[in-house]
Amino acid sequence: AQSVTQLGSHVSVSEGALVLLRCNYSSSVPPYLFWYVQYPNQGLQLLLKYTSAATLVKGINGFEAEFKKSETSFHLTKPSAHMSDAAEYFCAVSNSGGGADGLTFGKGTHLIIQP
Amino acid sequence: KAGVTQTPRYLIKTRGQQVTLSCSPISGHRSVSWYQQTPGQGLQFLFEYFSETQRNKGNFPGRFSGRQFSNSRSEMNVSTLELGDSALYLCASSLRPGANEQYFGPGTRLTVT
Repeated sequence: AQSVTQLGSHVSVSEGALVLLRCNYSSSVPPYLFWYVQYPNQGLQLLLKYTSAATLVKGINGFEAEFKKSETSFHLTKPSAHMSDAAEYFCAVSNSGGGADGLTFGKGTHLIIQP
Repeated sequence: KAGVTQTPRYLIKTRGQQVTLSCSPISGHRSVSWYQQTPGQGLQFLFEYFSETQRNKGNFPGRFSGRQFSNSRSEMNVSTLELGDSALYLCASSLRPGANEQYFGPGTRLTVT
């Protein structure tokens, strides 16, 4: 079975500071990994995905994530936080590309940006 | 290209009633998945449909069901509603099962009183 653990239900950073959201996964096969963002009263928007092509993945809005197999991690980073980054972030794993078996999500991390 | 649309956006039902939610995928997408989002359980996979067939189902009781039509539109139904069914129900579409991108709709907020 696959699972995802997101460390920290809430993360607070100052505007302009580094954003680091942590995600560790468990999977019996090479995983596909995703980060999604959810703004209030909206659905999920895909930020980036790892599909074994490259370990450092660049996404939208300046976010990137690095796949580290030895640490079973896929942490999300952004060099400089912006007020518009305040949202809920979800890490997700799939054993089959994100479709056939459904996505398994972490509990989410609420990112707070301090002015 | 239009995104995933879900109707209705908000719904209030009484315990014991049944409800049907609708999802129209992105044009050309043939796979539709449903998820339930609650504060306590987070995001949980309900089921996935492709070519009018349910391909996979999450760990939910039989009160939760769905179907897909020939135009790829999908509906999910919850019968005998319970208070715990109050949630945001999200639909996601992809080109096909196994495609590594799912596009989510805005969700339907169901409140059971």
